[in-house]
Amino acid sequence: AQKVTQAQTEISVVEKEDVTLDCVYETRDTTYYLFWYKQPPSGELVFLIRRNSFDEQNEISGRYSWNFQKSTSSFNFTITASQVVDSAVYFCALSEANYGGSQGNLIFGKGTKLSVKP
Amino acid sequence: DTAVSQTPKYLVTQMGNDKSIKCEQNLGHDTMYWYKQDSKKFLKIMFSYNNKELIINETVPNRFSPKSPDKAHLNLHINSLELGDSAVYFCASSPTPGQRLSNTEAFFGQGTRLTVV
Repeated sequence: AQKVTQAQTEISVVEKEDVTLDCVYETRDTTYYLFWYKQPPSGELVFLIRRNSFDEQNEISGRYSWNFQKSTSSFNFTITASQVVDSAVYFCALSEANYGGSQGNLIFGKGTKLSVKP
Repeated sequence: DTAVSQTPKYLVTQMGNDKSIKCEQNLGHDTMYWYKQDSKKFLKIMFSYNNKELIINETVPNRFSPKSPDKAHLNLHINSLELGDSAVYFCASSPTPGQRLSNTEAFFGQGTRLTVV
């Protein structure tokens, strides 16, 4: 069965610290997609990144970076030099190619609430 | 120009009432979804529609009925509302694999906070 685990419920850091949000997933499919979404205090869900199961290349986008490792079924997210505006709930999600066919059929983790203090 | 829009943003109603939440997307996507986010922030898919056809129906009480008049709209009707239905409901849309669009991820609406009293 498919499952996404975000073991860290809440993390609190001081501005400029680096922080890593963990995500571990379970799936039987060989073709799947992994996502990170951000939910700021205003409540909307903002797409951050997608990775497909055949692409283990890590990605960096500004202060954000993602580490995808199939061997450990993990897709971790690091924020470098965190800022107050990074305070939000971050969700990791999984979409399987055989579950409805579209990438919006998402299984979400329970989220990690990140608080960045000035 | 909002990509996925839901109305209303807030909805307060009494137990036993019937209510609807509307959703529209202007992205040309073939697939639309409803998600429920409970008080602990847990997000779970409820329904998935592809070209007006129901694809996924997770374990949702039959008091919830999605209706898709066309592929740009997916409305959620809830009958006989209960206290436990209080949550934030998100509409989303995404392309299907056959659609040749550059972005294949799901776009979410701003959410509708439903409070049943």
